[in-house]
Amino acid sequence: GAVVSQHPSRVICKSGTSVKIECRSLDFQATTMFWYRQFPKQSLMLMATSNEGSKATYEQGVEKDKFLINHASLTLSTLTVTSAHPEDSSFYICSATLAGPGIQYFGAGTRLSVL
Amino acid sequence: GEDVEQSLFLSVREGDSSVINCTYTDSSSTYLYWYKQEPGAGLQLLTYIFSNMDMKQDQRLTVLLNKKDKHLSLRIADTQTGDSAIYFCAENPTGGGNKLTFGTGTQLKVEL
Repeated sequence: GAVVSQHPSRVICKSGTSVKIECRSLDFQATTMFWYRQFPKQSLMLMATSNEGSKATYEQGVEKDKFLINHASLTLSTLTVTSAHPEDSSFYICSATLAGPGIQYFGAGTRLSVL
Repeated sequence: GEDVEQSLFLSVREGDSSVINCTYTDSSSTYLYWYKQEPGAGLQLLTYIFSNMDMKQDQRLTVLLNKKDKHLSLRIADTQTGDSAIYFCAENPTGGGNKLTFGTGTQLKVEL
């Protein structure tokens, strides 16, 4: 149980295009999902907290117009990187929480490369 | 300090025990977690411990918690090559909702 699916696993795009990443909780309903960014050999940096049916809460320094988050249902959150540039190249990981001990279950991550 | 700190690297021989240490920041954290990340993958929850516990054992994994010193450790018994990965501790700080604050990560290398 508690499986989180993230797609795509890897995407290469041209500078200026937009990329959408999906995060789905497959066997549970997640009221809260999180989006992280991870640079090589570094820890996870929380970008935003996504709650079903409401606007995402962004961490300080994260551009909300650049990283659009939609959490339309209890099982799906999407992150759209708009007008991507090479500096947006990174590993993006989502997670979803179950009630109880606040455990976050993670997707497999998306490697974004912007040329 | 403000960061959840871990040593960056640990190398052990196959069959030995590994001990990964973590110093966290919020003494009021209700739960503390250990996650494993293999190359190019997301994070896998290994185990977690409730803050009123001193120890938790789950098969080859033993978690020790010292609340006074805000110190958390993960011991892996009979370490195997498949245990080679990066290990992150995480805390659930007070007032953060379900947010987690992750440690800097420890890369475990298991040698034959």
